[in-house]
Amino acid sequence: GQNIDQPTEMTATEGAIVQINCTYQTSGFNGLFWYQQHAGEAPTFLSYNVLDGLEEKGRFSSFLSRSKGYSYLLLKELQMKDSASYLCAVYRDNYGQNFVFGPGTRLSVLP
Amino acid sequence: EAGVAQSPRYKIIEKRQSVAFWCNPISGHATLYWYQQILGQGPKLLIQFQNNGVVDDSQLPKDRFSAERLKGVDSTLKIQPAKLEDSAVYLCASSMRTGGMETQYFGPGTRLLVL
Repeated sequence: GQNIDQPTEMTATEGAIVQINCTYQTSGFNGLFWYQQHAGEAPTFLSYNVLDGLEEKGRFSSFLSRSKGYSYLLLKELQMKDSASYLCAVYRDNYGQNFVFGPGTRLSVLP
Repeated sequence: EAGVAQSPRYKIIEKRQSVAFWCNPISGHATLYWYQQILGQGPKLLIQFQNNGVVDDSQLPKDRFSAERLKGVDSTLKIQPAKLEDSAVYLCASSMRTGGMETQYFGPGTRLLVL
């Protein structure tokens, strides 16, 4: 089966650092993606990990441990515009090579 | 480069009525996906096309949902008859492989309300 877990909601303060965790149990794992989705808008790509370790992209970093079925998204120097839902998605190479999304974490950044 | 186009953006229907959504993917993208996103949840894959062939429709409620991509470009998703629980945003996405990574682009979605 496919199971992806994320915290439902998180709150942080402007300028702070926040870590959003994602755990997964899926077959055919071939990469983990993070997407950002503002309310009423479509998801947009943030980062991608296929090997263990940390990938850094400006204020956003993502980490993957394949052996633990665990990833996190790290957001630094939080800005008000970072208030959004963050979706963790596993790319699997069975069942036609497609994506399984987690439930999303709604992040609220407070002044 | 034009993005993924979807129409309509919003639709309100009564239960048991029919509805159809249209999607035009990014030019050259062979893979097209339809997702259902219920409020507060992540997107759930309904159907995946590779060109004009179905690759995965394991989560498509086939008694009421159907989709086609006849010429391997644009696609339509139909619900007939609609139920209250079909109220959701229907997202279309297309993808291509770049640098070993499958890059997926989403359209703006169609927000469906079933009364």
